[in-house]
Amino acid sequence: GQNIDQPTEMTATEGAIVQINCTYQTSGFNGLFWYQQHAGEAPTFLSYNVLDGLEEKGRFSSFLSRSKGYSYLLLKELQMKDSASYLCAAPHTGGFKTIFGAGTRLFVKA
Amino acid sequence: DTAVSQTPKYLVTQMGNDKSIKCEQNLGHDTMYWYKQDSKKFLKIMFSYNNKELIINETVPNRFSPKSPDKAHLNLHINSLELGDSAVYFCASSLTSYNEQFFGPGTRLTVL
Repeated sequence: GQNIDQPTEMTATEGAIVQINCTYQTSGFNGLFWYQQHAGEAPTFLSYNVLDGLEEKGRFSSFLSRSKGYSYLLLKELQMKDSASYLCAAPHTGGFKTIFGAGTRLFVKA
Repeated sequence: DTAVSQTPKYLVTQMGNDKSIKCEQNLGHDTMYWYKQDSKKFLKIMFSYNNKELIINETVPNRFSPKSPDKAHLNLHINSLELGDSAVYFCASSLTSYNEQFFGPGTRLTVL
């Protein structure tokens, strides 16, 4: 079966670093996506990992370990606008069916 | 220029009614999707289309009927609406099934 687990909520302070973890089980690995969703808005793409290791993109980085079925999203220099839900997602069935985690709600406080 | 657009943004209707949601993408993508996001914020795939052809129907009741007149459009018609259909429905598209998805703004459906 397919399953994605991530923490429900996290709180961090403005300017700090936060790591959001995701563990997944899918049949047939096709990469791992991270999306950001602000309240009342649509999800927007953040990152994609298909090989093991760290992908860095400005303040956001994402890490993947395929052997451990594990990924994390690292947010540096947190800003208030980073308060949002972060969704871990794994595509399968040729990419046509993407399983999303329940999302991690991140609260950034001053 | 809006990449993925949906209409209407809000839909309030009575149980038993039939309603449609329209979706259009101007990105030239081959693949389009419908998702349902319930009150617990779980985003769940409903349908996937590739070049107008249905690829995935994720055990959605047959009251839901998607239609893709061309690869830029994917509409969703819902018959005999039920209370449990209340949710936010997102349309999305991607260049291919392996690429990141671009989501429309969502349609908040409330069934009374």
